Amino acid sequence: SQTIHQWPATLVQPVGSPLSLECTVEGTSNPNLYWYRQAAGRGLQLLFYSVGIGQISSEVPQNLSASRPQDRQFILSSKKLLLSDSGFYLCAWSQGYQETQYFGPGTRLLVL
Amino acid sequence: ELKVEQNPLFLSMQEGKNYTIYCNYSTTSDRLYWYRQDPGKSLESLFVLLSNGAVKQEGRLMASLDTKARLSTLHITAAVHDLSATYFCAVDMGPWNNAGNMLTFGGGTRLMVKP
Repeated sequence: SQTIHQWPATLVQPVGSPLSLECTVEGTSNPNLYWYRQAAGRGLQLLFYSVGIGQISSEVPQNLSASRPQDRQFILSSKKLLLSDSGFYLCAWSQGYQETQYFGPGTRLLVL
Repeated sequence: ELKVEQNPLFLSMQEGKNYTIYCNYSTTSDRLYWYRQDPGKSLESLFVLLSNGAVKQEGRLMASLDTKARLSTLHITAAVHDLSATYFCAVDMGPWNNAGNMLTFGGGTRLMVKP
């Protein structure tokens, strides 16, 4: 069966510091991968998606970036965090087009 | 731009009662998902509705899709406390790069079931 991992689970960072969040998927190959952000009490906003290694598309321009160095690894980064980057970051995967997206446990980020 | 609206945003109901959550969307799509999120947790997939008239049921929850009306409903029958959570619908906007699918989420409906 497939599992999706995210770490860290919780992170408190000062404004202006860098960020690296990691997501890995097990039990499948060549998944589609997604990064979402959920602000407190709000819905989900798609940030990035990837259909393969090195292929990244961005939905919302901002100070975040994503990379996919390996087939089942998806990384969300920032060089300088803003207060508005605080939120719950969720990674998801799906097996191809029109398949259900399954979500990881999430990383809760607080920028102070 | 696809917009997905859920209502109500917040629902407090008594155990044993029935209620319906509505999900309206603004452009054509024939694929819609329902997810559940417990406080502080991730999203759990509940249903995927693949075509007009699709109906799925699991326990006390039943979801349906009317693509002509651009409407999906999540009906709760004889609610119990364990159903307390936030429910999201998500609409598939269609393919990108001929490989992936993009979802637009509604704002969520926070359900609280009281004894």
